[in-house]
Amino acid sequence: GQQVMQIPQYQHVQEGEDFTTYCNSSTTLSNIQWYKQRPGGHPVFLIQLVKSGEVKKQKRLTFQFGEAKKNSSLHITATQTTDVGTYFCAGRDRGSTLGRLYFGRGTQLTVWP
Amino acid sequence: DADVTQTPRNRITKTGKRIMLECSQTKGHDRMYWYRQDPGLGLRLIYYSFDVKDINKGEISDGYSVSRQAQAKFSLSLESAIPNQTALYFCATTAGGTDTQYFGPGTRLTVL
Repeated sequence: GQQVMQIPQYQHVQEGEDFTTYCNSSTTLSNIQWYKQRPGGHPVFLIQLVKSGEVKKQKRLTFQFGEAKKNSSLHITATQTTDVGTYFCAGRDRGSTLGRLYFGRGTQLTVWP
Repeated sequence: DADVTQTPRNRITKTGKRIMLECSQTKGHDRMYWYRQDPGLGLRLIYYSFDVKDINKGEISDGYSVSRQAQAKFSLSLESAIPNQTALYFCATTAGGTDTQYFGPGTRLTVL
C-alpha cells in the first residue's frame, strides 16, 4: 500500500534559523498537502501542490513538489516562535479515490528564543 | 475549524466499556473521516464515509465501528475499549471534488 515517509521526526532550532521538513512517497501522487498542528490543537490546512515541480510561497514558508511527484518539502526561513508545532504532509495516490489521503508522521518543530 | 465539532472533548473510561465519540459538521460536506493520532505515528485513518450510505474501512479499523446517522453526523464507537486505544481522535470533513480536510478539535480518550 501507499506510504508517505516524513523526516525528521523532531527539529529544534533557535529563533531566526531556517527549518526544512521532507516528505517522500512510495508511489506517484496526484497532489500533496501540508498541514500545521499547533500544540494542543488540531491539524489546519496550509497548502496544496498539484503540478510536477511546483513551488509555492506563503510569506516565510516555501513549499515544493518534486518533478516525479513523489516527494515534497516545506522550508521555513528565519523561524519565529509562532512557527512552533507539528507539520504534516498528506498525499493522495494517483490511483486513489478523491479525498483519501495518506499522512506522514509529521515533523515536530520547536523554536527557542 | 469551528464548523466541525466533536463530543466529548476528553473521556476517561475503563477497559471493556463501550464508548461513542460523536462528530457534527455544519459545512455541508459529504465526506467525513475518523483519524487516530498517537505520538510519533501521525494521523492514521480509522474509517471514512463519502455519503450516508457509503462507509469504508481505513488503515486501522479493527476494534472500531462507525455510524453515519446523517450527512452532518458521523460517530465512532469502541465496542469494548482496551488500553492501547488510548489516543487523540480527530474527525475531519472534505467537500466533494477536493482533498482538503477540515479537522475538528479532537477527543482525548484514555482507557484505563
